[in-house]
Amino acid sequence: QQQVKQSPQSLIVQKGGISIINCAYENTAFDYFPWYQQFPGKGPALLIAIRPDVSEKKEGRFTISFNKSAKQFSLHIMDSQPGDSATYFCAARGTGKLIFGQGTTLQVKP
Amino acid sequence: DGGITQSPKYLFRKEGQNVTLSCEQNLNHDAMYWYRQDPGQGLRLIYYSQIVNDFQKGDIAEGYSVSREKKESFPLTVTSAQKNPTAFYLCASSIVPSGLYEQYFGPGTRLTVT
Repeated sequence: QQQVKQSPQSLIVQKGGISIINCAYENTAFDYFPWYQQFPGKGPALLIAIRPDVSEKKEGRFTISFNKSAKQFSLHIMDSQPGDSATYFCAARGTGKLIFGQGTTLQVKP
Repeated sequence: DGGITQSPKYLFRKEGQNVTLSCEQNLNHDAMYWYRQDPGQGLRLIYYSQIVNDFQKGDIAEGYSVSREKKESFPLTVTSAQKNPTAFYLCASSIVPSGLYEQYFGPGTRLTVT
């Protein structure tokens, strides 16, 4: 019930392509769904976040799509760039703490 | 320059020794957190503190201890009871313990125990 399942574990995309990372959860009490971006050797940083009363949120090339009935949400990176190569974590907030997915390592090839 | 400081960046210890990881923040945040990161397992919560002199166990607290004597500081001790202590440790803080908030992460400490 407290898990967030993230897929795929790794992803390779050509420059200019669309990167899609998916997450699924069970607990309907989760009320905040952030995505974090982490570069090697660094701490994660908040990329974009969504609340369950919104179906989509877009910030620049990054979009979160949220499907409350399916208990799934996804991150879309449009026009992917080599600088987007990083590890991405989805998360869900429950009872005052964040539960993180397993992470997706994205490599964008030039 | 506000942020979270973790020191040292790399730490090496012999098996059987306790080791303390430092975490300091000057963001005036109430809540602080410790996570452990292992390849393919995401971020797992070790301990968190929502207020000075109070803290709660996370999902993998066994073999770890913390203190929160000051708002700015939340040190983590990895004890000899922790069976697999080699990992990347991340400290984070947030403004409000509950409600919509953003967690800010430090740069991490990579601990290697041999």
